[in-house]
Amino acid sequence: NAGVMQNPRHLVRRRGQEARLRCSPMKGHSHVYWYRQLPEEGLKFMVYLQKENIIDESGMPKERFSAEFPKEGPSILRIQQVVRGDSAAYFCASSSSGGDTQYFGPGTRLTVL
Amino acid sequence: SQQGEEDPQALSIQEGENATMNCSYKTSINNLQWYRQNSGRGLVHLILIRSNEREKHSGRLRVTLDTSKKSSSLLITASRAADTASYFCATDQGAQKLVFGQGTRLTINP
Repeated sequence: NAGVMQNPRHLVRRRGQEARLRCSPMKGHSHVYWYRQLPEEGLKFMVYLQKENIIDESGMPKERFSAEFPKEGPSILRIQQVVRGDSAAYFCASSSSGGDTQYFGPGTRLTVL
Repeated sequence: SQQGEEDPQALSIQEGENATMNCSYKTSINNLQWYRQNSGRGLVHLILIRSNEREKHSGRLRVTLDTSKKSSSLLITASRAADTASYFCATDQGAQKLVFGQGTRLTINP
C-alpha cells in the first residue's frame, strides 16, 4: 500500500510564476490536508479537503493560494504569482476519516528565485 | 497561532541514554500525536494518544498525556544514532487540523 505521494519533490519558480503542487493520498483515504513548513519551524495548517469539497481553509492566505481535491485525480495546491516568501516545504497528509491519524507525504520544497 | 510548544528546543545526549521531550498546549484536545522528521524529509507518525488515555507505549517509545496540565511527554529509551531527528507534537482540537509545535531537535552522539 503506497503511502502519500507528492510531486514534484523540488520546485523552483521565479517571482510572478505559478506553482502547482500535487498530492495523491493513501489508498482508501478521502481526507487531505495541506501544511506549510518554514525553515527551522513546525508545520502550519493551510487547508483541509474532502473529495470535491473544501472543509476548512482557515490557514490559507487570502490571495494567490487555492486548493482543490477533484473527484478523480490528486489534490492540487496552486500558488499564483509566487513571491520569495512562499519559499517553504509544503506537506500533504491524508487520513481515512476526520480526526484519525494523518499520514504525511515527503513534501514539496518550493524555492522562489 | 501555534499552540503546541516543545521543550527543550534542542537536546543532545549519548547513545544508549534516554531522551525525554515535553509538549504543552493551550486548549482542549481530542488527541495528541507525535511525529519524527529527519533533516529535509517528511514526517513519520510515531504515536497517537487520545484525550482519555494517560500513557501509551510503542517499542522504545513511551508517551504520557496529562490533560489537567495540558502537557505530554515523549520518552525514547536506549537511544540510537538513528533516533537523531526533530520531534514534533501535534494536537487535534476537533477541527481535524493538527496544530504543531516548533519541535525538539534531538542529537544522539555515538
